[in-house]
Amino acid sequence: GDSVTQMEGPVTLSEEAFLTINCTYTATGYPSLFWYVQYPGEGLQLLLKATKADDKGSNKGFEATYRKETTSFHLEKGSVQVSDSAVYFCAQSAGLDSNYQLIWGAGTKLIIKP
Amino acid sequence: ETGVTQTPRHLVMGMTNKKSLKCEQHLGHNAMYWYKQSAKKPLELMFVYNFKEQTENNSVPSRFSPECPNSSHLFLHLHTLQPEDSALYLCASSHLLDRAEAFFGQGTRLTVV
Repeated sequence: GDSVTQMEGPVTLSEEAFLTINCTYTATGYPSLFWYVQYPGEGLQLLLKATKADDKGSNKGFEATYRKETTSFHLEKGSVQVSDSAVYFCAQSAGLDSNYQLIWGAGTKLIIKP
Repeated sequence: ETGVTQTPRHLVMGMTNKKSLKCEQHLGHNAMYWYKQSAKKPLELMFVYNFKEQTENNSVPSRFSPECPNSSHLFLHLHTLQPEDSALYLCASSHLLDRAEAFFGQGTRLTVV
C-alpha cells in the first residue's frame, strides 16, 4: 500500500547549520506531498506542499522538491535557528483515491542548539 | 489562528468518568478527522467524517464515540478510558477536493488517571 518513510530522529544541529530531513514515498498514483511542523505543545501546521513532479514548495526558508524519479520530497533549510526546533512530518495525499486521507510519516524531531 | 479550535486544551479524567472533546472549524470544510498522537508513535487516524457521515473507523475501541452534528462541529465522547488512552487528540478538517491539505487544531492533551 501507499506509505511515507522519514529519517529517524532526533536530528541535532547547531544554529546556522544546513538541514536536510529525508522523506520518501510509495504510491500507486500521483499524490500531492506535504511537510507539516509541530511545535512543542501545539497541533500540526502545514509548512509547505507540492502537487506535481518537479514542483518546489517553500516557506519560512524551508524548501522541498517533488522528485518523481526518486520518489522523494526531502526538506531542506540553509541556516536553521533555535526556533526551528520542532517535529516535522512528511505526508502524501492521493485525494479521492485514498478517500481524501493523508498518509503520514512517523515524524522527525529536530533539535537546534545555540 | 488555524481556523480549527479544540476544547479543552487539557483534560484529566478518571477511568470511570465520561467526558467529551469538542472541535469546531470555521473554514467551510466538509471533512473532519480525529487523530491520536501518543509519545514515540506515528499519528493514528481514528475517525473520518465526510459531509457529516462517518466514512472511516480505524478499529477504534467503543469507549471512543464520535459525533458530527454538522460540517462545522465534531465531538469525541469518552467513557471508561484506560491509562494507555492518555495522548494528544488532534482534530483536523479539509476540503473534499483532490489532494487538499488538512488544517489542525491545537489538540487536547488527555491524561487518564
